[in-house]
Amino acid sequence: GAGVSQTPSNKVTEKGKYVELRCDPISGHTALYWYRQSLGQGPEFLIYFQGTGAADDSGLPNDRFFAVRPEGSVSTLKIQRTERGDSAVYLCASSRDRGETQYFGPGTRLLVL
Amino acid sequence: LAKTTQPISMDSYEGQEVNITCSHNNIATNDYITWYQQFPSQGPRFIIQGYKTKVTNEVASLFIPADRKSSTLSLPRVSLSDTAVYYCLVGALTGGFKTIFGAGTRLFVKA
Repeated sequence: GAGVSQTPSNKVTEKGKYVELRCDPISGHTALYWYRQSLGQGPEFLIYFQGTGAADDSGLPNDRFFAVRPEGSVSTLKIQRTERGDSAVYLCASSRDRGETQYFGPGTRLLVL
Repeated sequence: LAKTTQPISMDSYEGQEVNITCSHNNIATNDYITWYQQFPSQGPRFIIQGYKTKVTNEVASLFIPADRKSSTLSLPRVSLSDTAVYYCLVGALTGGFKTIFGAGTRLFVKA
């Protein structure tokens, strides 16, 4: 079946703007994860959903970042008042259940000017 | 969560066996060891996972000594297409699951 998909693949925005990044997990996967990856670094955990609920959001850097997964499938990562330091690749992953192998999407490259 | 330490980079030649060792001195009893591979402009891809001793699949082997304080990913007969970043992770498969990636090992395979 289809893998994890993310849209848009690239996003350029201006400082202070609001952005939404979408993740479509593999069908039937109950767990969904968001990561942020800066150049030359490993992915940094942001938030993990089990079903519709955020089971662990301890990686969100501040209250400008928020994520939802209202129906337990598609998830949206929302960033308010973007800053240049938010520029990174935002990766989404899903797994059949918590703790199982994570399958990653190609990421959304966010550039904040 | 157990912290992992890996070499920053490694070079190899086509056809050679490559072994990448990861240290995880504080690994917990419930922790598994997982390795991911990442190519430029792609998300990480699962390679192999193990708990103890040795695990082998169609792409790699994972060696874990009895004390589990380290693990070694072995890639047999690498090719140019194995040039990538390899990440070692440790974490429990039950309960809360927060994945911590380190900086990874950049493997460069030369012709």
